[in-house]
Amino acid sequence: DAKTTQPNSMESNEEEPVHLPCNHSTISGTDYIHWYRQLPSQGPEYVIHGLTSNVNNRMASLAIAEDRKSSTLILHRATLRDAAVYYCILRDVIENYGGSQGNLIFGKGTKLSVKP
Amino acid sequence: NAGVTQTPKFQVLKTGQSMTLQCAQDMNHNSMYWYRQDPGMGLRLIYYSASEGTTDKGEVPNGYNVSRLNKREFSLRLESAAPSQTSVYFCASREDRGYNSPLHFGNGTRLTVT
Repeated sequence: DAKTTQPNSMESNEEEPVHLPCNHSTISGTDYIHWYRQLPSQGPEYVIHGLTSNVNNRMASLAIAEDRKSSTLILHRATLRDAAVYYCILRDVIENYGGSQGNLIFGKGTKLSVKP
Repeated sequence: NAGVTQTPKFQVLKTGQSMTLQCAQDMNHNSMYWYRQDPGMGLRLIYYSASEGTTDKGEVPNGYNVSRLNKREFSLRLESAAPSQTSVYFCASREDRGYNSPLHFGNGTRLTVT
């Protein structure tokens, strides 16, 4: 699996935008970029995913570089509830039905702190 | 909808004891997964079940067994618990074998083996 690199931690002020970077220089053409987050004492939660084009949903936006070697998760207005560990994960679209199709490599993620 | 429900939330075992972690989902998902999460590490896949009646090993299956009892339920069994199995265990499910359907996680079982 291609690897991702994220900063260990970031801080933000409440109600300000947050840009969480992710580098994935070895990404292949079929890798989708997924983001999950994990709030304290909870299981991970899906945030967003994309392949080439920028994506928006009710939780966040995903900006993908033209060469796809990096991406940025954007929280438009951070709230205290957004304090979590954010994981950037690559997922190969060509899944082998006999293989480990659910094996998302979560890594250590970025711990986001939000200050009031 | 309750989503993915795991029981128990907490458990303390002595070395050599056995126990079963229960997981149930009410979203009619085909695929179910068991992960473990250790401090400072990401989640590692233990076992998964792509559909009712099938199970496969993940990255760290040693010391565990699983049962896909029906479409809703997927249990994880520790036959002889060891301190190295102290961890937080997460169950997850997914709608289908589609390439990008998201995983839905439970809130975890915190297991301590002394």
